[in-house]
Amino acid sequence: ETGVTQTPRHLVMGMTNKKSLKCEQHLGHNAMYWYKQSAKKPLELMFVYSLEERVENNSVPSRFSPECPNSSHLFLHLHTLQPEDSALYLCASSQEFRGDEQFFGPGTRLTVL
Amino acid sequence: RKEVEQDPGPFNVPEGATVAFNCTYSNSASQSFFWYRQDCRKEPKLLMSVYSSGNEDGRFTAQLNRASQYISLLIRDSKLSDSATYLCVVNSDNYGQNFVFGPGTRLSVLP
Repeated sequence: ETGVTQTPRHLVMGMTNKKSLKCEQHLGHNAMYWYKQSAKKPLELMFVYSLEERVENNSVPSRFSPECPNSSHLFLHLHTLQPEDSALYLCASSQEFRGDEQFFGPGTRLTVL
Repeated sequence: RKEVEQDPGPFNVPEGATVAFNCTYSNSASQSFFWYRQDCRKEPKLLMSVYSSGNEDGRFTAQLNRASQYISLLIRDSKLSDSATYLCVVNSDNYGQNFVFGPGTRLSVLP
C-alpha cells in the first residue's frame, strides 16, 4: 500500500450506531488530519494530530472522537450521529505540522439514516 | 468576509483555451498557499504550491499578490482532462491548524 488509505470507503449507519473510520498513511509523515466535506461547502478541518498529540478543534461535536495510536494510524469514532453528519470524511497527512502540503486519502462517504 | 473566497463557476471553456482563476484571502498574515485539484467524488490532490515569485509547471502558472491578497492559477491550452474543481488553500501561520480551503472553482473543458 502506498500513500494514504481509508476504510471503509462507504458507510451507512443509523443514528444509534457506533462505528469507526480508519486512516493509515504509508508516507512516514508526522502529522495527520480529519476533514469533513459536505455538499456545496468547503472542506472543514475537524482534527489535527502532530506526533500523536492532538490539536483540538472546538467546533466539532463530541459525537466525533478521534484517536491516534501512532503516527501512521488515525481513527474517527462515531456515535449517535445526526443525518446532517452525512458527508465525505477525508483523512490527510503531511510531513510536519508546519503548513506543508497535505496528501489526502480517498475518503469515506458516510450516510446517516 | 470569508477567509478564502473563490468564484464557484462553473467555467465552461473549449479545448485549447486559456482560463484563469482567482482566489482572495482575508488574513494578511497568511504564510503559504496552494492549489489543489479535486475530481468528482475523489479526494483533493496537490496541483502546485504558490511561491512569492510565482511559479510555472508545464501549462499551469500560479501567481501570488500579497498586497492585494489574492492568488491566481492560469491554465494554458486546456485539455479535457483538466475538468475538475480547483481548490485554493491558504495557510495562515506556520502550522497546519490554519490550513483553510476555499469552496473551489469548477472547470469544464468541452470538446
